[in-house]
Amino acid sequence: AQSVTQLDSHVSVSEGTPVLLRCNYSSSYSPSLFWYVQHPNKGLQLLLKYTSAATLVKGINGFEAEFKKSETSFHLTKPSAHMSDAAEYFCVVSENYQLIWGAGTKLIIKP
Amino acid sequence: GAVVSQHPSRVICKSGTSVKIECRSLDFQATTMFWYRQFPKKSLMLMATSNEGSKATYEQGVEKDKFLINHASLTLSTLTVTSAHPEDSSFYICSATRGGANGELFFGEGSRLTVL
Repeated sequence: AQSVTQLDSHVSVSEGTPVLLRCNYSSSYSPSLFWYVQHPNKGLQLLLKYTSAATLVKGINGFEAEFKKSETSFHLTKPSAHMSDAAEYFCVVSENYQLIWGAGTKLIIKP
Repeated sequence: GAVVSQHPSRVICKSGTSVKIECRSLDFQATTMFWYRQFPKKSLMLMATSNEGSKATYEQGVEKDKFLINHASLTLSTLTVTSAHPEDSSFYICSATRGGANGELFFGEGSRLTVL
């Protein structure tokens, strides 16, 4: 059965330091993987997606994620956090319209 | 990127009334649209999947007579919350895809429903 686990419900980092948001998945097939971001009181925005091409995926706003099949992980990273990155981030697995959402990780940026 | 517009963004209604939320794909034809509900401090819950011209497929536990979904055209899907009650107050979000099994989703801005 498909599942997505975001290992941290909250992540707090200082501005200018690296960001790591962890996501592990289980899937029977070759999945597509997405990271979405939701800023307070706003809709969801796609950050990046993996669809069986390059395993290192670059997204918007300096984020990137690496698909590691052996570890069934798709962690989201950013070298240097900015205050505007404060939001909730969702990892999503997609297979044939079956969308499995992680519970979300709230990213807090300390000045 | 493709644009999905949701309207209204906020609505307040009295208990017992019905509320309709629209989801439009502005610059592409959406073969499939999804409706979600987001609870505070929780992830999105998929309510139903709608394909143009056919009945929506509801997720387990979602009352189809309470949450009426119509996908009358390739650019418009509507969610009607019938006989709304305070427990229906939530943030409802739609998304649309152009097609393909793992097609990218484009999300509306969401609609916050408050039932008094």
